[in-house]
Amino acid sequence: LAKTTQPISMDSYEGQEVNITCSHNNIATNDYITWYQQFPSQGPRFIIQGYKTKVTNEVASLFIPADRKSSTLSLPRVSLSDTAVYYCLVGLQGGKLIFGQGTELSVKP
Amino acid sequence: EAGVVQSPRYKIIEKKQPVAFWCNPISGHNTLYWYLQNLGQGPELLIRYENEEAVDDSQLPKDRFSAERLKGVDSTLKIQPAELGDSAVYLCASSLKGNTIYFGEGSWLTVV
Repeated sequence: LAKTTQPISMDSYEGQEVNITCSHNNIATNDYITWYQQFPSQGPRFIIQGYKTKVTNEVASLFIPADRKSSTLSLPRVSLSDTAVYYCLVGLQGGKLIFGQGTELSVKP
Repeated sequence: EAGVVQSPRYKIIEKKQPVAFWCNPISGHNTLYWYLQNLGQGPELLIRYENEEAVDDSQLPKDRFSAERLKGVDSTLKIQPAELGDSAVYLCASSLKGNTIYFGEGSWLTVV
């Protein structure tokens, strides 16, 4: 399973766009890229999933370059409630998920 | 639609005592997972079920941990006897094969 590398922490201010980049140099042909969000005392919550190019939903956008060796989660106009840990995962769709340490995002007023 | 339901939400036990966690997956989801999450770390897979069959239990410490999913729906994870190092959050998740994995709120275990 491909290993992912992402920043341990990031700081932002309310209203800013936040981009969290994840490296996955050994991604396999059939692997999907999935992002989860986790608040304290809660289980991880699915944010977005993609295979290539760009995916957008009501919460975030996911940008994946052609070589698929990295991906960027984009959160538009963050608020205090977006303070959480964000996990980038790579693997077969619906298959085994290997979590890293995640990126702890802190949004300040 | 109800999400993944876990109980108990919190549990405090003395070391060497047994403990059990219960999980009810999202209706219709045939794949069920148990994850362990230590403080400050990402979740780690303990076991994965496809219906009632455990298809991946390589990370389950079988000397003290056991799990079952008898009818391919609800699942129970047991620890006997518990050790201090077992204090963590035990997360249950489910998915419809080939699709998004959804997590429950977790069961918080403290062993004293």
